[in-house]
Amino acid sequence: DAGVTQSPTHLIKTRGQHVTLRCSPISGHKSVSWYQQVLGQGPQFIFQYYEKEERGRGNFPDRFSARQFPNYSSELNVNALLLGDSALYLCASSFEGLGIGSQHFGDGTRLSIL
Amino acid sequence: QQQVKQSPQSLIVQKGGISIINCAYENTAFDYFPWYQQFPGKGPALLIAIRPDVSEKKEGRFTISFNKSAKQFSLHIMDSQPGDSATYFCAASKGGSTLGRLYFGRGTQLTVWP
Repeated sequence: DAGVTQSPTHLIKTRGQHVTLRCSPISGHKSVSWYQQVLGQGPQFIFQYYEKEERGRGNFPDRFSARQFPNYSSELNVNALLLGDSALYLCASSFEGLGIGSQHFGDGTRLSIL
Repeated sequence: QQQVKQSPQSLIVQKGGISIINCAYENTAFDYFPWYQQFPGKGPALLIAIRPDVSEKKEGRFTISFNKSAKQFSLHIMDSQPGDSATYFCAASKGGSTLGRLYFGRGTQLTVWP
């Protein structure tokens, strides 16, 4: 089975531009979360979507937005890019349910801002 | 404010030795504690996870020890191998669901010398 897939793998942008990152969850997973990982740090939570509804938002400015589509894939949009937005953007999907489960991460999109 | 504190930042272990990574948390609402392993250029991969109703969980060479009263948990890697060289992240979430937002530690870079 395919894991979480993210596109593109690498992206170079300049300050002020906007970017759209895409994520396809594991088949059957209805929840998608986005994380930002700055070099040398742990991932930081940006958004979580479940059944196309926003379930949570981390401490990120309004320049960051996301949405989930009927097929459960998701997009992360960042406007007015800043140098500090350079990071690895990770998408994770998870299966609904209680008990010990897990969020499965893709390999991320490496975003570099010049 | 870092909700999960992880130490050490880096760790060097001889092949066959025991690697120990420690994490501490403050929020008693956390009820799910996973450990992730990340190789360069890859996303984090779930290694092992524990709920606070047990004090230890073992899967192969990996063991989580959990001390609820001290609000601490640790990862032990027995018989460490060069292939274990990676960055390890502890994390925590709350809400009793697999959908919970993950709070990550800053990571430990493990190097296992042959």
